[in-house]
Amino acid sequence: QKEVEQDPGPLSVPEGAIVSLNCTYSNSAFQYFMWYRQYSRKGPELLMYTYSSGNKEDGRFTAQVDKSSKYISLFIRDSQPSDSATYLCAMSVPSDTGRRALTFGSGTRLQVQP
Amino acid sequence: NAGVTQTPKFQVLKTGQSMTLQCAQDMNHNSMYWYRQDPGMGLRLIYYSASEGTTDKGEVPNGYNVSRLNKREFSLRLESAAPSQTSVYFCASSPTRGNTEAFFGQGTRLTVV
Repeated sequence: QKEVEQDPGPLSVPEGAIVSLNCTYSNSAFQYFMWYRQYSRKGPELLMYTYSSGNKEDGRFTAQVDKSSKYISLFIRDSQPSDSATYLCAMSVPSDTGRRALTFGSGTRLQVQP
Repeated sequence: NAGVTQTPKFQVLKTGQSMTLQCAQDMNHNSMYWYRQDPGMGLRLIYYSASEGTTDKGEVPNGYNVSRLNKREFSLRLESAAPSQTSVYFCASSPTRGNTEAFFGQGTRLTVV
């Protein structure tokens, strides 16, 4: 079983819709949670970063972390065709545990139809 | 604003050939990483370097070697390429040892025939 599970999609929505992207994880030591956006044939770019549980909002994007359920979400309001990309969740443990890198989900491909 | 720069962008190798993928960052980050990305597998860590002078194996290190040449540069070497190493390779860097925020290069598309 993978440490981080993410539905690969594709997820197709009309322009203006609210999009919900999700990841589940099994390692309770994860403390840092990130969402990356990756356009076709480009490198991933950091979109949202959250420490521990709670919500974080940035413009049309909201990240939620529920550590009790080991579940994280990314919501996109008023989705635009320019949001069409693959969204990767990523997680990491505190550096003093010895692990030094992010663990990624496999990514969800989102298509926003004009 | 170069960030993380990878060369080359594309490469085709024959089975058994060797090559080195280059990566350089200009953000003064301590930690650097090499990932590979395959369909349905997400990003998997090959090797990382927490700081200049140190390197450690990641999830899929077999068939690869790395060199942290200085704080800016981190190279990945394939000594004897195999078709299973056909993938997109990404270099990343982060300011802290915990890799809480990683910045990625544009990737190298490698095909081994």
